[in-house]
Amino acid sequence: RKEVEQDPGPFNVPEGATVAFNCTYSNSASQSFFWYRQDCRKEPKLLMSVYSSGNEDGRFTAQLNRASQYISLLIRDSKLSDSATYLCAVNRWNNAGNMLTFGGGTRLMVKP
Amino acid sequence: NAGVTQTPKFQVLKTGQSMTLQCAQDMNHEYMSWYRQDPGMGLRLIHYSVGAGITDQGEVPNGYNVSRSTTEDFPLRLLSAAPSQTSVYFCASSTLAGSDNEQFFGPGTRLTVL
Repeated sequence: RKEVEQDPGPFNVPEGATVAFNCTYSNSASQSFFWYRQDCRKEPKLLMSVYSSGNEDGRFTAQLNRASQYISLLIRDSKLSDSATYLCAVNRWNNAGNMLTFGGGTRLMVKP
Repeated sequence: NAGVTQTPKFQVLKTGQSMTLQCAQDMNHEYMSWYRQDPGMGLRLIHYSVGAGITDQGEVPNGYNVSRSTTEDFPLRLLSAAPSQTSVYFCASSTLAGSDNEQFFGPGTRLTVL
């Protein structure tokens, strides 16, 4: 079983729709959590960090459920420009350093 | 600032050849890492470094070597290329290992091994 799992999609939604992605992680020692966005043939870029209290950035809301070990991302009022692959990532740190582990990514396609 | 730079952008190798993928950052980040990305597999950590002179293995280190002689540079060496190493390679850097800090990625190197 992969340490971080995501539904690969693709999620095909019309403009203006609300879409939600989930991500599960298996290592309870994971300490910090992120959503990255990756455009086709480009490098990943940080979308937002994820906190237990939930956090919002404009149309994007991220949530962490430590008890169930999953992370979610909600996108409201989808735009064509939101089309991309969304990667969740979990971070563990020990004396040797960081271990940032990514899920396989969820592809979103927003249609006119 | 250029951020994280990687060279080359594209490379084709024959099985058994060796090469070095270059990575440099100008943000004075302590932490640097190498990932490979294959379809449907997400990014997998190859090696990482928490500072000059310190490196450690990630999830998929076999067939790769790294060194960190300076804060800025973190080259990845393929000792004897195999078709299974065909992938997109990303280098990343961030401040302080163990912190909740953003990782900045380079633009990637697309490697094909024939």
